[in-house]
Amino acid sequence: ETGVTQTPRHLVMGMTNKKSLKCEQHLGHNAMYWYKQSAKKPLELMFVYNFKEQTENNSVPSRFSPECPNSSHLFLHLHTLQPEDSALYLCASSWGTGEISTEAFFGQGTRLTVV
Amino acid sequence: AQSVTQPDIHITVSEGASLELRCNYSYGATPYLFWYVQSPGQGLQLLLKYFSGDTLVQGIKGFEAEFKRSQSSFNLRKPSVHWSDAAEYFCAVKDGGSGNTGKLIFGQGTTLQVKP
Repeated sequence: ETGVTQTPRHLVMGMTNKKSLKCEQHLGHNAMYWYKQSAKKPLELMFVYNFKEQTENNSVPSRFSPECPNSSHLFLHLHTLQPEDSALYLCASSWGTGEISTEAFFGQGTRLTVV
Repeated sequence: AQSVTQPDIHITVSEGASLELRCNYSYGATPYLFWYVQSPGQGLQLLLKYFSGDTLVQGIKGFEAEFKRSQSSFNLRKPSVHWSDAAEYFCAVKDGGSGNTGKLIFGQGTTLQVKP
C-alpha cells in the first residue's frame, strides 16, 4: 500500500464535463499539495493545504477547484477544462509547512486528457 | 526568485558506468534540497534529501548527493548504474525557513537512458 493514493489513475473528459480527482494519504501528514506536470514543463505547484486550510493558490484558473475536508483527503474538482489542461496531476503530502516541513511524498498521479 | 536548473535534459550511460546528474539552485536563504526519480507513468519517489549537517548525503538505490553551498549545487551521483535506473530525475528545492508553505520548486528534469 502506497502512502499517498490517487484515483482515478486515468481520466478522459470532455470540455463540458465535471469530474473530480481524489487523493488520500495514510501517513498522518498535515499538509497536502496538488502539482501539475505537463509535457516539456517543470512540475508546477497548484495548491497547498495545511491543517485543511488553503495556504497557497499559485494563480490557478477557477476551473480547478480544490477541496480538503480533512488532513487525509484532498480533492480537485474540474469543470469546463481546456485541452491544454491535459497533464499528469500529482498529489503530495508532508508533515507540515514552515520550519517543521519535511520531504513530500507523492502519489502515482492521475493522467488527465481533455478532449 | 527561487529556481532550479538541471543543465542536462538527457543523459545516456552504459550499464556499470558511473553517473553524475547536475543540479544548480538559486536561493538566498536556507534551502532544503531533494532528488526525486520518476519512472514512466508513475509518481515521484524520493531518492534523498539535504536539510543540514553533513554535505554528503546517502539515499536509496545506491545514490548519493553532495551539497556545495559555494557553487549552489546539489549533484546526484551513483558509482555503477543499473539498467533499472533508467528514469527521469528531478532536483527540487524548498524554503527551509519558518514562512515557507512547503512549496517545492523543481528543475526541468534529466532523462537517464542506460545502454546495455
